[in-house]
Amino acid sequence: DGGITQSPKYLFRKEGQNVTLSCEQNLNHDAMYWYRQDPGQGLRLIYYSQIVNDFQKGDIAEGYSVSREKKESFPLTVTSAQKNPTAFYLCATAAGPTEAFFGQGTRLTVV
Amino acid sequence: GQQLNQSPQSMFIQEGEDVSMNCTSSSIFNTWLWYKQEPGEGPVLLIALYKAGELTSNGRLTAQFGITRKDSFLNISASIPSDVGIYFCAGPGYDKVIFGPGTSLSVIP
Repeated sequence: DGGITQSPKYLFRKEGQNVTLSCEQNLNHDAMYWYRQDPGQGLRLIYYSQIVNDFQKGDIAEGYSVSREKKESFPLTVTSAQKNPTAFYLCATAAGPTEAFFGQGTRLTVV
Repeated sequence: GQQLNQSPQSMFIQEGEDVSMNCTSSSIFNTWLWYKQEPGEGPVLLIALYKAGELTSNGRLTAQFGITRKDSFLNISASIPSDVGIYFCAGPGYDKVIFGPGTSLSVIP
């Protein structure tokens, strides 16, 4: 089954804990992206990666970290430095800087 | 940097009405993409446009690539309740996809 898998769909964490969100793809796309979306708002770019072992900060990278050790995987860690981590997180992939395809998202709630 | 603007920001319409929204850019784009995001889901690609002046339909949706290459339009005919969602335009940036802020559509039955 081809596509982008984000897991889990819902995630709860205590304040002050780091948490890692998973994004896996089998589309053989080079580019992968992480976006944050707050209720009723648009997509804000956190990090993106054009190739394995390389990634760039997006518009709101503070308090987040990523790695790109494999083409298929681009995990996002929400650290305790992120002051307001509760949000909907979306992962996307693309063959280039054009059509992007999204996962189903992970809704993170920090209590 | 490259930036996309969408208008209107939100729309409330009666079921059966037609909908028009647009996306503008300060720079030329050679591809325009339109996505729909339903509540709690990831955005899904609806229509892709690759040539200035191109008009492409997908069911009740029609999108156009503006002649100036700095804008694109999305029309939805005879809206139905399942058209509810956020509609994003997007285009290729220097090294990443650029998304507009979205148009939120609400359909009143």
